[in-house]
Amino acid sequence: SAVISQKPSRDICQRGTSLTIQCQVDSQVTMMFWYRQQPGQSLTLIATANQGSEATYESGFVIDKFPISRPNLTFSTLTVSNMSPEDSSIYLCSVVTLTYNEQFFGPGTRLTVL
Amino acid sequence: AQSVAQPEDQVNVAEGNPLTVKCTYSVSGNPYLFWYVQYPNRGLQFLLKYITGDNLVKGSYGFEAEFNKSQTSFHLKKPSALVSDSALYFCAVRVVRPTSGTYKYIFGTGTRLKVLA
Repeated sequence: SAVISQKPSRDICQRGTSLTIQCQVDSQVTMMFWYRQQPGQSLTLIATANQGSEATYESGFVIDKFPISRPNLTFSTLTVSNMSPEDSSIYLCSVVTLTYNEQFFGPGTRLTVL
Repeated sequence: AQSVAQPEDQVNVAEGNPLTVKCTYSVSGNPYLFWYVQYPNRGLQFLLKYITGDNLVKGSYGFEAEFNKSQTSFHLKKPSALVSDSALYFCAVRVVRPTSGTYKYIFGTGTRLKVLA
């Protein structure tokens, strides 16, 4: 398996500001993904973080709103820009390791936008 | 469109009874199927996967799932439910993006399992 950490674990932010979420894995991984989840609901894929190139965004998500970086095989960041209360959610980082086909998830970042 | 469905929002079962959480899928090609569990205020944990081979796969915590190609289903089962199994369960399928050949995972809407003492 892979051990994934996310920072911050939670934050309360003001409307119009930006927050950068970090995801660190303890081993090299092939794929890194960013999801959004409302408590008790399903996961929505935001984008695939590609190492050394632009992320692949899903329909409804754009780079200006959710810029993503992945400078190496073990680290990625997601920025939620110009936040509004509708961005309040849990943001999850997940990875697929080199030796397994399943995803492992980070503990999540609970974001509240006032 | 490629998708995965969990038809039940909630499943209630008495402790000690067998449980089934349903999942059906619609994908092109051979499916890679997964089950995850999320306990309250916790992250998602991997339970089991089907990629190829035996249709009955065994996973963590005594759970198993049966892949049925003709019915395009991948139902999660456990012979004897525990109160501690109460959680939110997600079925997921790995799909290939036709434009790039890379893959992503699609999750079902989730099923809340409640095991009654």
